[in-house]
Amino acid sequence: GDSVTQMEGPVTLSEEAFLTINCTYTATGYPSLFWYVQYPGEGLQLLLKATKADDKGSNKGFEATYRKETTSFHLEKGSVQVSDSAVYFCALSPSIQGAQKLVFGQGTRLTINP
Amino acid sequence: ETGVTQSPTHLIKTRGQQVTLRCSSQSGHNTVSWYQQALGQGPQFIFQYYREEENGRGNFPPRFSGLQFPNYSSELNVNALELDDSALYLCASSLRTKQETQYFGPGTRLLVL
Repeated sequence: GDSVTQMEGPVTLSEEAFLTINCTYTATGYPSLFWYVQYPGEGLQLLLKATKADDKGSNKGFEATYRKETTSFHLEKGSVQVSDSAVYFCALSPSIQGAQKLVFGQGTRLTINP
Repeated sequence: ETGVTQSPTHLIKTRGQQVTLRCSSQSGHNTVSWYQQALGQGPQFIFQYYREEENGRGNFPPRFSGLQFPNYSSELNVNALELDDSALYLCASSLRTKQETQYFGPGTRLLVL
């Protein structure tokens, strides 16, 4: 079945460091790919998405490119801030007809130190 | 535009009891999905409702059931609660198109003792 695998955390960086969180997926067809962020005590917020191969999603300085050849959707940011500390989830939405369910990775906890 | 809201925010129940969680979808959204997020894990899809009918279900037993109302709001009901049902329950709303984004509420944290 469909699945998402994220790099294990926690990840701890200093402010202004470069961030990469790896995400790979297994799915049939052409799923849509998402990154969601969860701040402490809150629900999930959509960070960015890409719906077809080679698309780049971007928001708030974060970017991720849909790579079908490597089945990956790695999250990057050039200079992180303390306020980026949160749990990040990679997810896919299968391309087949039916319920628009999201399949999530296990999450990566990111801590940014000043 | 009103976002997704859920109630209650927190709930404590004992094993064997029944619980009802509520969700109001974002304005204009006609599809509601429910997810269970255990501590330290990613959310797991429970089921989705569209036009007041269940429209897909994840790997959850029948004691997890739901409703969707004409105004698109929704309920999640869990019968015969078990300790492992302790989790954050998230509701997400969207439009009924293949690639539409789901928008999440803040969740209801359920503790089963």
